[in-house]
Amino acid sequence: QKEVEQDPGPLSVPEGAIVSLNCTYSNSAFQYFMWYRQYSRKGPELLMYTYSSGNKEDGRFTAQVDKSSKYISLFIRDSQPSDSATYLCAMRGNQGGKLIFGQGTELSVKP
Amino acid sequence: NAGVTQTPKFQVLKTGQSMTLQCAQDMNHEYMSWYRQDPGMGLRLIHYSVGAGITDQGEVPNGYNVSRSTTEDFPLRLLSAAPSQTSVYFCASTQRGGVNTEAFFGQGTRLTVV
Repeated sequence: QKEVEQDPGPLSVPEGAIVSLNCTYSNSAFQYFMWYRQYSRKGPELLMYTYSSGNKEDGRFTAQVDKSSKYISLFIRDSQPSDSATYLCAMRGNQGGKLIFGQGTELSVKP
Repeated sequence: NAGVTQTPKFQVLKTGQSMTLQCAQDMNHEYMSWYRQDPGMGLRLIHYSVGAGITDQGEVPNGYNVSRSTTEDFPLRLLSAAPSQTSVYFCASTQRGGVNTEAFFGQGTRLTVV
């Protein structure tokens, strides 16, 4: 079993929809939780990060971490065609070098 | 400021050949990592380094070697290429310490082994 599990999709939604992306994990040592966005044929770029449990909001994006359930989520409000990309969750413990990724969810937002 | 630079961008190898994927960063980051990305598998960690002279294995290290002689460079060597190593390879660097230790990625190397 992988340390981090993410539904690979693909996920297709109409423009303006609310999108929910999720990951579960098994390693209780994870403390830092991140979401990366990857456009086709590009390297991943950091979208949001959260330390420990709680919520974080940045514009149309909200990240949630529930450490008791080992579950993290990314919500995208008012989704736009420009949000079409692969979204990868990632997490690590207190040592910065070892970042573990989920499988990535391919999102398509249709105009 | 170039960030993380990977070369080459594309490569085709024959089974059994060896090659080195280059990765260089100019941000003075201590941590560097190599990942491979395959369809439906996400990014899987091959090897990582927490500083010059220090390397460790990730999830899928077999068939790959790394070394870290300088802070800037972290090459990945394929010893004897196999078709199972056909993948997109990403190098990443991270600044040590702090809460927001963002990993910066290169543009990737697309490798095909025939």
